[in-house]
Amino acid sequence: AQKVTQAQTEISVVEKEDVTLDCVYETRDTTYYLFWYKQPPSGELVFLIRRNSFDEQNEISGRYSWNFQKSTSSFNFTITASQVVDSAVYFCALSESTSYDKVIFGPGTSLSVIP
Amino acid sequence: GAVVSQHPSRVICKSGTSVKIECRSLDFQATTMFWYRQFPKKSLMLMATSNEGSKATYEQGVEKDKFLINHASLTLSTLTVTSAHPEDSSFYICSARDYGRRVGNEQFFGPGTRLTVL
Repeated sequence: AQKVTQAQTEISVVEKEDVTLDCVYETRDTTYYLFWYKQPPSGELVFLIRRNSFDEQNEISGRYSWNFQKSTSSFNFTITASQVVDSAVYFCALSESTSYDKVIFGPGTSLSVIP
Repeated sequence: GAVVSQHPSRVICKSGTSVKIECRSLDFQATTMFWYRQFPKKSLMLMATSNEGSKATYEQGVEKDKFLINHASLTLSTLTVTSAHPEDSSFYICSARDYGRRVGNEQFFGPGTRLTVL
């Protein structure tokens, strides 16, 4: 069973629009970590955020914000006022306490921001 | 801090040859390193977990004899693709955990190596 689901395969938005990338995860552990990574065309993964399962506070970092809802097992990512440089593939990932060494990646969402 | 490098960044080789990819943690010690494979427009798949001084742990379906992993020091892990074939062409990414900073379970990723087998 897929543990991290990103239902949106591809999204296109016009510059300055807001966009939300969805992430739904599945785990039986009570202790786990969730991540978001950005992968631009160059291929290098860029770490965006880490959230542990005991911290449900939403976070804002500049134009980026994250909404963690344990009740729905979701960890959604919103980009406000999108820019062309935001065009990339975004991965949501999960690391469980029972297998702390492993990071399970979702399938990714390809975001295209059109000027 | 927490920089991971990979070398080479790109490699093209002929079918049947072996290719070695290096993963280095530049400013921290990494007792554990990880190797991922990414096909075009696909997600990252964990291939193996590499522990310094011991044998690597391979994920189900990954051929140990095909993908040789060596983690000889706290800052270097190597992946050797033996007798490479066109289907081994892929983007290989390594990551490392900082031994001195285990909080948060964060892994630091290298820039990746694009392997093309002709």
